[in-house]
Amino acid sequence: DAGVTQSPTHLIKTRGQQVTLRCSPKSGHDTVSWYQQALGQGPQFIFQYYEEEERQRGNFPDRFSGHQFPNYSSELNVNALLLGDSALYLCASSLFRGGETQYFGPGTRLLVL
Amino acid sequence: AQSVTQPDIHITVSEGASLELRCNYSYGATPYLFWYVQSPGQGLQLLLKYFSGDTLVQGIKGFEAEFKRSQSSFNLRKPSVHWSDAAEYFCAVGTPWEAAGNKLTFGGGTRVLVKP
Repeated sequence: DAGVTQSPTHLIKTRGQQVTLRCSPKSGHDTVSWYQQALGQGPQFIFQYYEEEERQRGNFPDRFSGHQFPNYSSELNVNALLLGDSALYLCASSLFRGGETQYFGPGTRLLVL
Repeated sequence: AQSVTQPDIHITVSEGASLELRCNYSYGATPYLFWYVQSPGQGLQLLLKYFSGDTLVQGIKGFEAEFKRSQSSFNLRKPSVHWSDAAEYFCAVGTPWEAAGNKLTFGGGTRVLVKP
């Protein structure tokens, strides 16, 4: 049973570019949450998707957007990249109803130059 | 809004010694509480969780945590540390009324170094 998978593992972009990160949830899970973890800090909640809709959003600008597909996989898109967007981006999956525990993927390390 | 404080940024412990990591949270009711561990360059692995009931919870890798409502704390302990326990540990709070889906708020983490 595969856990949460993310791609790519590493990514280098330049300021102003756009990036798309991908996540496949754990088998049986229907909800995907995204977190940003800057170096030396704890993860911060970006947003959560269920039934292909954004259900909750943290304190992140509109440059951060997402999508969930019918197979529950998800994408995180970041436009107009800033140096400060350099971080580890973590995807977590869970069950929307009765699934309080989130299971995390290995993350995508994004470096913005 | 909920918040989580992990007062110790770094802790160094000798192999075989006991370990205790502190976590204090701020939330109006009883939250869901979690401890995750992160090895360098890796994602987060769930160690244990508390939702309700017995305030002492057992987790994987020999870890346990105790929920103390009066102190708004959820400290993590291990009786005897192994070199492989060197990692960063994160305490997190989830909110029951948002339980459908559940957003997690994390502390800043505690980095544990294990001396041989």
